[in-house]
Amino acid sequence: EAGVTQFPSHSVIEKGQTVTLRCDPISGHDNLYWYRRVMGKEIKFLLHFVKESKQDESGMPNNRFLAERTGGTYSTLKVQPAELEDSGVYFCASSPGGPLHFGNGTRLTVT
Amino acid sequence: GENVEQHPSTLSVQEGDSAVIKCTYSDSASNYFPWYKQELGKRPQLIIDIRSNVGEKKDQRIAVTLNKTAKHFSLHITETQPEDSAVYFCAAPYGFNKFYFGSGTKLNVKP
Repeated sequence: EAGVTQFPSHSVIEKGQTVTLRCDPISGHDNLYWYRRVMGKEIKFLLHFVKESKQDESGMPNNRFLAERTGGTYSTLKVQPAELEDSGVYFCASSPGGPLHFGNGTRLTVT
Repeated sequence: GENVEQHPSTLSVQEGDSAVIKCTYSDSASNYFPWYKQELGKRPQLIIDIRSNVGEKKDQRIAVTLNKTAKHFSLHITETQPEDSAVYFCAAPYGFNKFYFGSGTKLNVKP
């Protein structure tokens, strides 16, 4: 089966700009997650979709972050406007329930 | 929420030696504990997991032990090889199909 795919793999933007990350989960996985890892720290939970509904968005840092999963398939995570502290690797993961399957991540650098 | 602590942050061993990584968690209702391995530039991948109805699980050179009373679980790698070098993450569940991760352990196996 195709794994979780994320696009882009890298993004370098200036402070104040907008970036949109995309995640295509494994087909049939109702659960989709966004996580972020800042250098040397934990993989921090951002939010969890079940199909197209936000099950839990308690980890979203602030209202500059907006995640969507229209139709319950792929998801996007938009950061607008980006700040320096948003830099890190953003992981998407999907699951039918149980262990998570991760994508390769998007490395976001805000300068 | 769940609080997962992982130690050590870095671990350097000689090839052939054993490596042990420890995690503690806070939610006594947690009942499933996966371990992920992330090689440089790649996605985190599940390597072993354990459910709370067992105290130990082995898969070739990898084993995980769980002490529910003390709320800690450990990853044991025996006869380490250079290809074991990676960052290892433990995780514990919280709420509905949500996982919190430890801060990661960078394992370096010296040939």
